[in-house]
Amino acid sequence: DVKVTQSSRYLVKRTGEKVFLECVQDMDHENMFWYRQDPGLGLRLIYFSYDVKMKEKGDIPEGYSVSREKKERFSLILESASTNQTSMYLCASSLGTGGTEAFFGQGTRLTVV
Amino acid sequence: AQSVTQLGSHVSVSEGALVLLRCNYSSSVPPYLFWYVQYPNQGLQLLLKYTSAATLVKGINGFEAEFKKSETSFHLTKPSAHMSDAAEYFCAVGGGGTSYGKLTFGQGTILTVHP
Repeated sequence: DVKVTQSSRYLVKRTGEKVFLECVQDMDHENMFWYRQDPGLGLRLIYFSYDVKMKEKGDIPEGYSVSREKKERFSLILESASTNQTSMYLCASSLGTGGTEAFFGQGTRLTVV
Repeated sequence: AQSVTQLGSHVSVSEGALVLLRCNYSSSVPPYLFWYVQYPNQGLQLLLKYTSAATLVKGINGFEAEFKKSETSFHLTKPSAHMSDAAEYFCAVGGGGTSYGKLTFGQGTILTVHP
């Protein structure tokens, strides 16, 4: 079974802190994604990566950055956390190009106070 | 550009009744379409996917969906609801080529099943 593991299920951080969300997949997938989930808005793509050290902005990249130094690991960074970044964050991975499903981690519920 | 609209943010059915969750999409390229389910405090799990083979797609847990190009729809159905089907359901569209597997999701539909 494909496994996508997010390092934390719940996080509470203070405004202005630098926050790292880590994601690891064990199936040698090329593509990795970070989505943000908010009630009534569905999932919105923050950033994605299609290869090591390659990254592209998604629909809502402002306030976020990412890092992919190894194929299996994709990190989401909040440089200076703000209360409007309180949300559920979901990491996903998939093979190759379109048509293949994405496999999701359990999610990290981040609260910024 | 691609987009997905799920009609109805909340759907409530009785146990044993038909489940119908609606999804319409917009895509400038032949779409790949997916339905995912999310149980409370969990990630998303794939129910089924359409990738240009048969237009009627069968998935897990007795769900199926029909791709109708003329209506740009991909509605999810299950003949008889079970209490365990209560969850949030997401429709998603992806493109081929250089899309790198990116998916665009709808807003989600919360399904409630009453005894």
